[in-house]
Amino acid sequence: AQKVTQAQTEISVVEKEDVTLDCVYETRDTTYYLFWYKQPPSGELVFLIRRNSFDEQNEISGRYSWNFQKSTSSFNFTITASQVVDSAVYFCALTFLNFGNEKLTFGTGTRLTIIP
Amino acid sequence: DGGITQSPKYLFRKEGQNVTLSCEQNLNHDAMYWYRQDPGQGLRLIYYSQIVNDFQKGDIAEGYSVSREKKESFPLTVTSAQKNPTAFYLCASKPLSRNTEAFFGQGTRLTVV
Repeated sequence: AQKVTQAQTEISVVEKEDVTLDCVYETRDTTYYLFWYKQPPSGELVFLIRRNSFDEQNEISGRYSWNFQKSTSSFNFTITASQVVDSAVYFCALTFLNFGNEKLTFGTGTRLTIIP
Repeated sequence: DGGITQSPKYLFRKEGQNVTLSCEQNLNHDAMYWYRQDPGQGLRLIYYSQIVNDFQKGDIAEGYSVSREKKESFPLTVTSAQKNPTAFYLCASKPLSRNTEAFFGQGTRLTVV
């Protein structure tokens, strides 16, 4: 099966704490792509980062960082010094080829609440 | 401005009626997707299309139909066969390269009464 699992349904932290959102994936492909999206209360998904299966270099962008580990099939997302504006639902996603067609599949999302 | 537009934002229909949700993009993207979002279930793929006049069933296609007569348009019809159609529907588009992100519309919230 090719799927994405986000085991954390909801997380609440106090503002300025660090928080890590977990993402575990399964795929038969040797070449695949992983993504993180943020969904604020308005509903539209906002792209945050992509990573391909050949690039295990971790990335930091401001208060955001991502840890991609092929050995554990994980692509975790950390927010440092969280802020109230970080409150949203976060989705991890995977693209793979399904009989020649590109399928984009999402995890169930993690609702993050930052408490002032 | 380039983007992807879903309309309407809110839609109310009586039980047993078919309803069509619009999705238009002017990004020249080949691939388009429809997702359904229910509380606690994340985004579930309904249908997707890579080229005009061709589309594939996603994970929950039953009770839905689509068409792709133009590259920029991918309307979704929720038929009376869909047993629980009340949900938030999101449309997305992306270039065919897998190393590119998808762009999403603002969604349509469908309520069946």
